[in-house]
Amino acid sequence: GQNIDQPTEMTATEGAIVQINCTYQTSGFNGLFWYQQHAGEAPTFLSYNVLDGLEEKGRFSSFLSRSKGYSYLLLKELQMKDSASYLCAVLDSNYQLIWGAGTKLIIKP
Amino acid sequence: IAGITQAPTSQILAAGRRMTLRCTQDMRHNAMYWYRQDLGLGLRLIHYSNTAGTTGKGEVPDGYSVSRANTDDFPLTLASAVPSQTSVYFCASRGREGGEAFFGQGTRLTVV
Repeated sequence: GQNIDQPTEMTATEGAIVQINCTYQTSGFNGLFWYQQHAGEAPTFLSYNVLDGLEEKGRFSSFLSRSKGYSYLLLKELQMKDSASYLCAVLDSNYQLIWGAGTKLIIKP
Repeated sequence: IAGITQAPTSQILAAGRRMTLRCTQDMRHNAMYWYRQDLGLGLRLIHYSNTAGTTGKGEVPDGYSVSRANTDDFPLTLASAVPSQTSVYFCASRGREGGEAFFGQGTRLTVV
């Protein structure tokens, strides 16, 4: 079967750095997405990785290792507005999105 | 309309009633999806459509039906609502195989 694992919840302090991990086992791989979802709102796109390595976009970076079936989202200089759920999703061999259950990130002052 | 729009934004529905959730996009995306999101379970795919005129079943299709008469619209119908269909429903679209999904604002449905 296809499976994506993420921690259920994480807590971090304002101004700090946090790393959210995602491991996957899917039938084929055509890329990995990270989305942010604030409570009561729709998911919004953060990043896309299809090749191994680190993609940096401002305070957010995303890393992919295809051989390990592993990705992480790195958030730097945390702000209170970063409190949200972060969803990992993989495009399988049929270009269908397989979603993780999401990681709820709580930022404390 | 800009992007992808769902209606209604929320609804309380009596069990046994029929209900259609509407989804419209103006991005000319070929692929469209309906998800339900329940606490702790993440996004679960109900039905999808890779292009106008075609539809497919997702992970949790029972009790739901869809149609895709044109590129822009992808309605989701609950033929006879049950309390277990209480959830937040998201419609999404993608423009190309490797592209990201864009989401509507969601419909919060309560079946009583």
